[in-house]
Amino acid sequence: QVQLVQSGAEVKKPGSSVKVSCKASGGTFSSYAISWVRQAPGQGLEWMGRIIPILGIANYAQKFQGRVTITADKSTSTAYMELSSLRSEDTAVYYCATAEIGELLASGWFDPWGQGTLVTVSS
Amino acid sequence: DIVMTQTPLSLSVTPGQPASISCKSSQSLLHSDGKTYLYWYLQKPGQSPQLLIYEVSSRFSGVPDRFSGSGSGTDFTLKISRVEAEDVGVYYCMQGIHLPVGFGPGTKVDIK
Repeated sequence: QVQLVQSGAEVKKPGSSVKVSCKASGGTFSSYAISWVRQAPGQGLEWMGRIIPILGIANYAQKFQGRVTITADKSTSTAYMELSSLRSEDTAVYYCATAEIGELLASGWFDPWGQGTLVTVSS
Repeated sequence: DIVMTQTPLSLSVTPGQPASISCKSSQSLLHSDGKTYLYWYLQKPGQSPQLLIYEVSSRFSGVPDRFSGSGSGTDFTLKISRVEAEDVGVYYCMQGIHLPVGFGPGTKVDIK
């Protein structure tokens, strides 16, 4: 059964970038999509984007377009989410999750989820 | 973008009593492939979200049968037949029919 293990907590300065990794253990994710979802303190879930490694396609939420880059290394079953031009509002827990790909690239359910990575943006 | 709304936003329930959460989408979640791309998650305190229900009414592996989902098109409901202490947390509905994937604002459930 696939488990997703994310990299550790990060503290970043405003204006810098952060790159969070998500490694699949116990299997691969080549035939799935890997989404990134963030959760600001005390807030709800917000989808940022996804990558479909087998197709080499990445989709991003409009809100993050131009600031987020999602990539995947199939050889190591690891996905990455890089967020640039960080500001204090980007302080959040960032989750990765796998999902089957539906017809016309619709998204299946998210399972499993990674354990989350806290990114703190502070001067 | 599809907007997801949930009611109520908070719920306090006596153990053993039922609970119900409504989720509405701004567009139909019924796909041309016949599936309805509506899911329910529970996020327990300090944990990652966990899948409860997929495609409106199918319980995910290991989910107790006190959880059930129903609905169609744009209106959906999650029901807990008898709330237990371990059911506390925030419940989210999610749509996956169109990008961007969208979550409801969440319904916080606690025990009286």
